Amino acid sequence: SQKIEQNSEALNIQEGKTATLTCNYTNYSPAYLQWYRQDPGRGPVFLLLIRENEKEKRKERLKVTFDTTLKQSLFHITASQPADSATYLCALDMTGGGNKLTFGTGTQLKVEL
Amino acid sequence: DTGVSQDPRHKITKRGQNVTFRCDPISEHNRLYWYRQTLGQGPEFLTYFQNEAQLEKSRLLSDRFSAERPKGSFSTLEIQRTEQGDSAMYLCASSLSPSETQYFGPGTRLLVL
Repeated sequence: SQKIEQNSEALNIQEGKTATLTCNYTNYSPAYLQWYRQDPGRGPVFLLLIRENEKEKRKERLKVTFDTTLKQSLFHITASQPADSATYLCALDMTGGGNKLTFGTGTQLKVEL
Repeated sequence: DTGVSQDPRHKITKRGQNVTFRCDPISEHNRLYWYRQTLGQGPEFLTYFQNEAQLEKSRLLSDRFSAERPKGSFSTLEIQRTEQGDSAMYLCASSLSPSETQYFGPGTRLLVL
């Protein structure tokens, strides 16, 4: 079955720096790869989606890359702010079209002043 | 658009009791999903509906779990004879088929004593 690996250790960075989070997966590539943000005690919030034929996607300070050869996605937050502190989840939609998502365990990001 | 709502937000029950959770999706969203999330893990898929039809169930969904969406709007998730291992956050999400984006509710946190 598909396994998704995200850094289990928290990532601490200084305000203003770029945060880079990693999502690695095994087996075959998903049709879509998505990133969600989750704050404590709340449901995940959709951030970005990238398709298997896309290399990069941007939205404001966020950037996602997708390398199907390495079976890896990188999620970047530029000019990070303390308000960006949260857990970031990688999710795979294997077949596309809005079917079930398979989530990683998430990486906790802390942006310090 | 008030977003996905879930009720109750918190539930404490004794082992062996039955519990029922409700999810109200975003209006006009015809897909509805249930996930379960335990501490330090990402959400795990349980089941999803297209209108009132239940299209897929995870093997995580034992015989004690049942989900319904009788009129294609709200959904209920019932757990019979609860066990301590059922303690988790139960998340509901909805999407407008064939959109890839799932919008999550705040979740119902269940504690089985």
